[in-house]
Amino acid sequence: IQMTQSPSTLSASVGDKVTITCRASLSPSSWLAWYQQKPGKAPKLLIYKASTLESGVPSRFSGSGSGTEFSLTISSLQPDDFAVYYCQQYNSYWTFGQGTKVEIK
Amino acid sequence: QVQLVESGGGVVQPGGSLRLSCAASGFTFSRYGMHWVRQAPGKGLEWVAFIRYDGSNKEYGDSVKGRFTISRDNSKNTVYLQMNSLRVEDAAVYHCVRDQGTYSAFDAFDHWGQGTLLTVSS
Repeated sequence: IQMTQSPSTLSASVGDKVTITCRASLSPSSWLAWYQQKPGKAPKLLIYKASTLESGVPSRFSGSGSGTEFSLTISSLQPDDFAVYYCQQYNSYWTFGQGTKVEIK
Repeated sequence: QVQLVESGGGVVQPGGSLRLSCAASGFTFSRYGMHWVRQAPGKGLEWVAFIRYDGSNKEYGDSVKGRFTISRDNSKNTVYLQMNSLRVEDAAVYHCVRDQGTYSAFDAFDHWGQGTLLTVSS
């Protein structure tokens, strides 16, 4: 299953609502996760099963979608949220999207 | 707390071999599937290999199949990645990663090590 994220780069300001989209070549059912990665750090799990928030992750993060289209939304962008975000399907082996960089506008 | 500490990275010539290790602590290692995920400099994440909690099943990404071998020693809480016939394009940071759930088939990744760097160059 191939995963395609859009956009590749997103410029936004603190307080903005941002949405990242992930499209799958085949439906992964709900077996879809989102990760955040900051420079020089390991990725961090944010969302699993398409919409379930990992323990400790702020509630401004949310996931939605079904079939082949999924999204990650940050309701009010905070300074700590500038990072690269990856989607991943884990229905059939494991495949990541190419990443979306959220940068300061 | 869960800790995954990779070691064994370094500089290898094309065609060479290297073995990576990942020492796990803070959880019951024998209950979790483990993975290796790599990230080339400035690039995205690529899943490399998986081993079931008991070692009975192993899976590999297409780019490493036939060259890399994943294994584990549950008595030592350690997972390994033997890498043979290395290519320039294998250069990356290699992360050791844990499945989110116990005894899982396919699962998300809830804990990641900081990674170990492999450089492939003549």
